[in-house]
Amino acid sequence: DTEVTQTPKHLVMGMTNKKSLKCEQHMGHRAMYWYKQKAKKPPELMFVYSYEKLSINESVPSRFSPECPNSSLLNLHLHALQPEDSALYLCASSQDVGTDTQYFGPGTRLTVL
Amino acid sequence: GENVEQHPSTLSVQEGDSAVIKCTYSDSASNYFPWYKQELGKGPQLIIDIRSNVGEKKDQRIAVTLNKTAKHFSLHITETQPEDSAVYFCAASYYGNNRLAFGKGNQVVVIP
Repeated sequence: DTEVTQTPKHLVMGMTNKKSLKCEQHMGHRAMYWYKQKAKKPPELMFVYSYEKLSINESVPSRFSPECPNSSLLNLHLHALQPEDSALYLCASSQDVGTDTQYFGPGTRLTVL
Repeated sequence: GENVEQHPSTLSVQEGDSAVIKCTYSDSASNYFPWYKQELGKGPQLIIDIRSNVGEKKDQRIAVTLNKTAKHFSLHITETQPEDSAVYFCAASYYGNNRLAFGKGNQVVVIP
């Protein structure tokens, strides 16, 4: 099974709201990723967690705050977002830090009003 | 860093015909090349991948070929079906990098 799950599927929030996106995998993968995808564009890497520690931050604004509570869960906390942050947010996982095969979740469609 | 170019941007084929999408990469250190299919409203789904120690890999109607000398790799879909209609992304990486360099994507439309 190569399933990555994400909740919620859709999220609408105002610019002053605080919300969180959740991602879960039960494949025993030790690397997890957050991507942002705009319409008709490829996914853009935001963060990488390796063995529950943040290993890559692609200069993402601080209004996005990732968290990895355990090896199966990945959260993305959102605060004071801008309308241009509206996008599909994808979570992915891979077996290990040096393993390239990444499996994506279905994404959360975020709209910032 | 790695740069991946993907052509054509849109491809329309008659049902039953073959579709070919080609990608070129710039970094000779890249040794892993996955292909993802993304349907409307869904996340990218890995459909096939290839590593630099092989030149071709097949999985039913899907195949990927790799030319390391020319630094390009291609996705071949045979006997296309309407459910093959989607956006296809190629990507490149090297072991340990954790970063996938994606192409811009290719919209494939299979006409019944």
